[in-house]
Amino acid sequence: QSVLTQPPSVSAAPGQRVTISCSGSSSNIGNHYVSWNQHLPGTVPKLLIYENNKRPSGIPDRFSGSKSGTSATLGITGLQTGDEADYYCATWDSSLSAWVFGGGTKLTVL
Amino acid sequence: EVQVVESGGGLVQPGGSLRLSCAASGFTFSTYWMSWVRQAPGKGLEWVANIKEDGSERYYVDSVKGRFTISRDNAKNSVYLQMNSLRAEDTAVYYCARGGYCTTISCWSLWYWGRGTPVTVSS
Repeated sequence: QSVLTQPPSVSAAPGQRVTISCSGSSSNIGNHYVSWNQHLPGTVPKLLIYENNKRPSGIPDRFSGSKSGTSATLGITGLQTGDEADYYCATWDSSLSAWVFGGGTKLTVL
Repeated sequence: EVQVVESGGGLVQPGGSLRLSCAASGFTFSTYWMSWVRQAPGKGLEWVANIKEDGSERYYVDSVKGRFTISRDNAKNSVYLQMNSLRAEDTAVYYCARGGYCTTISCWSLWYWGRGTPVTVSS
């Protein structure tokens, strides 16, 4: 059972938009910045979003992040087959004194 | 160019020990928190431990407390994970990553990751 709750899977057609939710509490999302990582098993995980809504250099603006209260959302527009991967939200949990991940959401581009 | 390279994984028997190493380059190593993250077969990412820039603070996930020790050598731009009393459930690919800590006003996200080193605990 992960501290941060994500849907196990989402799917959409190429070109469409999808959102992935991440729900936490006041000890984690409520008081700390959220980041999002993209991971295709067997490859190097990639940082997509940091500090709730900032994109590292090289990450296309099709990827966006937002946070409200104790929840965060990753948005992906103009879906491409290359976006198929697992997506993880993450932040620090000050009650646990631990970095925490969501359980991961598998994106399928139909 | 930032590079993070893990080494030291392998096959070990239950109850055994293993020391993972992570060599970093391309950034000022001594000014960043560093973390170890693992992914067990068929499972999601799980943060294992982190260490502050100067080594003065270290945190662990509950399942490894008392068995794993994270350390760093800033002169060698390296971070280590000493794993003792290994269990079958520690079997995973272990990743080293830069970052993994937040205060209420700042956050060091897991920005750069290595390719990982596999650890298998089995008799």
